[in-house]
Amino acid sequence: GAVVSQHPSWVICKSGTSVKIECRSLDFQATTMFWYRQFPKQSLMLMATSNEGSKATYEQGVEKDKFLINHASLTLSTLTVTSAHPEDSSFYICSARDFEFGQGGNEQFFGPGTRLTVL
Amino acid sequence: DQQVKQNSPSLSVQEGRISILNCDYTNSMFDYFLWYKKYPAEGPTFLISISSIKDKNEDGRFTVFLNKSAKHLSLHIVPSQPGDSAVYFCAARVRADGLTFGKGTHLIIQP
Repeated sequence: GAVVSQHPSWVICKSGTSVKIECRSLDFQATTMFWYRQFPKQSLMLMATSNEGSKATYEQGVEKDKFLINHASLTLSTLTVTSAHPEDSSFYICSARDFEFGQGGNEQFFGPGTRLTVL
Repeated sequence: DQQVKQNSPSLSVQEGRISILNCDYTNSMFDYFLWYKKYPAEGPTFLISISSIKDKNEDGRFTVFLNKSAKHLSLHIVPSQPGDSAVYFCAARVRADGLTFGKGTHLIIQP
């Protein structure tokens, strides 16, 4: 099946620093990747849609200057949390869409997530 | 405004019995509904999905029912097994957009 990886799996940083999270589709090409955020005991919230070779589309309420997304290749999207603050601490999950594999509407495959803790 | 709602934060079921997880939605534009299983600090794992033009889809022990008029869907797991204990998320999407998730239901299978 389609495999999506994320790196790092967890990161702790000081307030004010920037953190980059990578999302890779390992065995398929993904023209579209999605970034989600999950706070403790909450739902997964869609942050943005990342399209290869074009600008990301952000959901309402998500600051595009704070959460920089780069989808430079068909297998890699990166999310950079700039000037991180404690309220940015969360579990960040990416998914990649594989149109060739999916059936029945399930063409999104999720990465294992990245736990960000900002001190 | 929560477009996908899972009103039961937790559900406890005896092993071997049927588990029924419920989900309600408000957006009539949703054309696909999906169920995911998730463990803490891991990404969601796809279980089963259903198109808005169908009312039932079955895959092994998992069956999803969709009632469009009531904007309600449910996931049935039978028989329930200890390995089914996890948080289950209902999700929906419009065309190829990103997913809208419910808050999840923590399913506990008791021996």
